[in-house]
Amino acid sequence: ETGVTQTPRHLVMGMTNKKSLKCEQHLGHNAMYWYKQSAKKPLELMFVYNFKEQTENNSVPSRFSPECPNSSHLFLHLHTLQPEDSALYLCASSQERFYTDTQYFGPGTRLTVL
Amino acid sequence: GENVEQHPSTLSVQEGDSAVIKCTYSDSASNYFPWYKQELGKRPQLIIDIRSNVGEKKDQRIAVTLNKTAKHFSLHITETQPEDSAVYFCAASYPGNQFYFGTGTSLTVIP
Repeated sequence: ETGVTQTPRHLVMGMTNKKSLKCEQHLGHNAMYWYKQSAKKPLELMFVYNFKEQTENNSVPSRFSPECPNSSHLFLHLHTLQPEDSALYLCASSQERFYTDTQYFGPGTRLTVL
Repeated sequence: GENVEQHPSTLSVQEGDSAVIKCTYSDSASNYFPWYKQELGKRPQLIIDIRSNVGEKKDQRIAVTLNKTAKHFSLHITETQPEDSAVYFCAASYPGNQFYFGTGTSLTVIP
């Protein structure tokens, strides 16, 4: 399935590293989302972009910095992360922001912070 | 904001039996309720959804029921098969509002 792709699929980084996660959607959608998925917790919405503009930042620490250069690409820049940031980071897209219809998810990036 | 609770957190059934997962929500404005299936190491995928203008929706072996008065909705899987083993997530939202997800149910179908 190639609707929403994410790279890398796995990432191990130290607390002082800088890395970026990439998401790309080929569905012609206008809204893109970053979610954090931790064990035993609900999916946590982090950021929302609609037509390239950030519309939501759910009190996410500044060590996470999103970027949306166009409606098809979304990045999550990571800097000085903490071990508790280890999780699966999922990108999703939908036709419009919070459109009550299908959100299509990417396969996720499994992040481990040492 | 919305609060979605999902039960049970784990569920084991024998192949061929039925499985039921229940979610409750708090915001009476919520009117869209999707269910996602996430197999191990894979992405969440929508398997069925329901809107508040209907009480039940079926798609082959999968059905979802909604009780707006009681603010709960349930996923029913009949004639379970090993490939149904996965984590299932419910969610609730309304137009312009984010999706609020449940904590997930890990379903194991025992052959």
